[in-house]
Amino acid sequence: EVQLVESGGGLVQPGGSLRLSCVASGFAFDKYWMNWVRQVPGKGLEWVAHIKLGGYEKHYVDSVEGRFSISRDDAKNSLFLQMNSLRAEDTGVYYCARDAAGELDQWGQGTLITVSS
Amino acid sequence: DAVLTQSPPSLPVTLGQPASISCRSTQSLLYSDGNTYLNWFQQRPGQSPRRLIYQISNRDSGVPDRFSGSGSGTDFTLEISRVEAEDVAVYYCMQGTHWPRTFGQGTKVEIK
Repeated sequence: EVQLVESGGGLVQPGGSLRLSCVASGFAFDKYWMNWVRQVPGKGLEWVAHIKLGGYEKHYVDSVEGRFSISRDDAKNSLFLQMNSLRAEDTGVYYCARDAAGELDQWGQGTLITVSS
Repeated sequence: DAVLTQSPPSLPVTLGQPASISCRSTQSLLYSDGNTYLNWFQQRPGQSPRRLIYQISNRDSGVPDRFSGSGSGTDFTLEISRVEAEDVAVYYCMQGTHWPRTFGQGTKVEIK
């Protein structure tokens, strides 16, 4: 069974940093592209970042470019999102999601980030 | 960016009746490899999103055949042939053809 389990969420002050993790199981993690997607509670979905195999190619939504960094550790079946210079508008549930047969075929349960003073 | 506009925002449906959701893109979603990377997702209350349809019309494993997708270029449709109570959810279209990937704003399906 494919499982994606996010962790690392919490309350952080504006301007602060946080590192999210996603541990994958049930599939060959090193053979899949991966993503982070976020959702403000009660609102829609926003794709945040993407990483291809080996971490050699990455993409970001403009609003996080230069502040967030996606990475992966295939030996640990893990995906990461380093978030710096956090803003109130970064508040939301962050989901880890796999790409297969197109995009975002499997999702984790999400981890909540609250940016507030 | 490819902006996706869904309509309607809210869709009250009688059980057993059909439902149709439109998704229109500001750019063609046909990729240079000949595929069109348009997906549909379902998000039930309190749950993570679940992909229903990929590349316009391909159902994911376990998705009931009452769900179908169609369209091309910039206009796409998700149809539910006979709505059941478990279909109450917000539905999103999403494109993977262009960077950044973008979602529609969502359509909330509810029972009348």
